[in-house]
Amino acid sequence: AQSVTQPDIHITVSEGASLELRCNYSYGATPYLFWYVQSPGQGLQLLLKYFSGDTLVQGIKGFEAEFKRSQSSFNLRKPSVHWSDAAEYFCAVEHAGKSTFGDGTTLTVKP
Amino acid sequence: GAGVSQSPRYKVAKRGQDVALRCDPISGHVSLFWYQQALGQGPEFLTYFQNEAQLDKSGLPSDRFFAERPEGSVSTLKIQRTQQEDSAVYLCASSLVGGEANYGYTFGSGTRLTVV
Repeated sequence: AQSVTQPDIHITVSEGASLELRCNYSYGATPYLFWYVQSPGQGLQLLLKYFSGDTLVQGIKGFEAEFKRSQSSFNLRKPSVHWSDAAEYFCAVEHAGKSTFGDGTTLTVKP
Repeated sequence: GAGVSQSPRYKVAKRGQDVALRCDPISGHVSLFWYQQALGQGPEFLTYFQNEAQLDKSGLPSDRFFAERPEGSVSTLKIQRTQQEDSAVYLCASSLVGGEANYGYTFGSGTRLTVV
C-alpha cells in the first residue's frame, strides 16, 4: 500500500526567504504525485502534479516540485515566500484514482 | 457550478443522531470522492464514484457510513447513529476524468461535523 510522509509538522520562514517542504512516498510503481494547499476553513487547492516526464514541475503561485525516484521524494519549493503563503501543505500519492495524503506541514511566515 | 459545493458547512449532532452531508460537484465531472479529515491530519479516503457507480468504498469506517450518487451528479454521505469519533471535516472532491488518469481533484470547503 502506498504511504506519504511529511517529516516537518511545522515550518517558519521569513517573508522573502526561500522555502522547501519535504515529502517522501512509498509506492511500488511510478507514482502520480500531488501537492495541495489548505487555508483555514477551506478545502484543498491543487498546487501542482507529477505524472511522468520532466522531473521538475511548475505549479501555481510560483511553486515548483522535484521528483527524485532514487530518494522517493517529491519536495516542494518556492524561491521567495509571501505572507499569503501561510497555510497547510499536503503531499499526496495516487493509485487507482484515490489519493493517500501525508499529515501536512503548517507554514508560518514571519514579517 | 464554478466549484464543488458542500452543505451544510457546519453540523452539530447529538450522539446517536443520523446526519446527511451533501456534495454538489462541478458540472460534468465524472469522478466524485469523499474524504474524512480529522484534526491535525491529512484527508483519508472514504469512497469513490464514477458517475453513479460506487467503485470503491473500502475507506468507509463502518456500516454506519453510507454514500450514494443516484444520478451521477449530487452525492450524499450519510452517517447513522453518530459517535464522537465521527467528529471530523468531511471533504468532497470531484475530477473531470475517471480511472487511473486523475489530473487532480477540485475540493469543496468541507462539512465540519461535531458529535456531542
